[in-house]
Amino acid sequence: AQSVTQLDSHVSVSEGTPVLLRCNYSSSYSPSLFWYVQHPNKGLQLLLKYTSAATLVKGINGFEAEFKKSETSFHLTKPSAHMSDAAEYFCVVSDWNRDDKIIFGKGTRLHILP
Amino acid sequence: EAQVTQNPRYLITVTGKKLTVTCSQNMNHEYMSWYRQDPGLGLRQIYYSMNVEVTDKGDVPEGYKVSRKEKRNFPLILESPSPNQTSLYFCASRLQGNNQPQHFGDGTRLSIL
Repeated sequence: AQSVTQLDSHVSVSEGTPVLLRCNYSSSYSPSLFWYVQHPNKGLQLLLKYTSAATLVKGINGFEAEFKKSETSFHLTKPSAHMSDAAEYFCVVSDWNRDDKIIFGKGTRLHILP
Repeated sequence: EAQVTQNPRYLITVTGKKLTVTCSQNMNHEYMSWYRQDPGLGLRQIYYSMNVEVTDKGDVPEGYKVSRKEKRNFPLILESPSPNQTSLYFCASRLQGNNQPQHFGDGTRLSIL
C-alpha cells in the first residue's frame, strides 16, 4: 500500500542557510513523487516532480529533490533559504498502476528566521 | 490564464442548509478532485472524477456529493452541512496519468455553525 511520511511537522532555519525537508514513501510499484508548496491563503503550487527519469530533480525557486530508491526517500533541499520560502510544503506520491490514488503527506511548515 | 477557480472563497452558514461550492478549470483536464485540509491531517481526498459522468469516492466522502456533467466543472455539494465539515476545501485538476501534476484552486473556507 502507498504511504508518505514527512518526518518533521515544523522546520526552522535562518535566512541564507540550507533547507532540508524530509520525505519517506512506501509504494508497491514505480511511484511518481511530487513536492508542492502552500503559501498562506493560497492553493498548492507544484515545486517539482519525479517520474522515473533523472533521480536529481530541479524545481522552481532554487529547490531540488533527490529520489533514493534504496532509502525510499525524496527529500527536498535548497542551498540558501530566503524569507519568501516560509510556507507549508507537501510531499505527494502516486503509483503508475493506480491512476486514481494520490497520497499527501501531512505537511512540513518551514519557518525562516531573520 | 490556466487556472482552477473555486467559489465562494469564504462561506459561513448554519447546520442543515444545503450549499454548493463550484469548481471550474479551463485546461481541458480529464481528472478533477476535491480535498479538505484540516490542521495536522494534511489534505484528504473527498471525491474525484476521471472524466465526464465518472466519479468515485476518495478517503472521506461521507456527507458530500459531486457531479461531473461537463468536463470543466466539478461542484461539491453539502446536502445537510454539519459543524464537522468546517474546513478548508481545495479543488484540483490534472491531465490523465499519475505522473501529471495537479493544479489547485485557491481554496474555499467553510464554517458551519
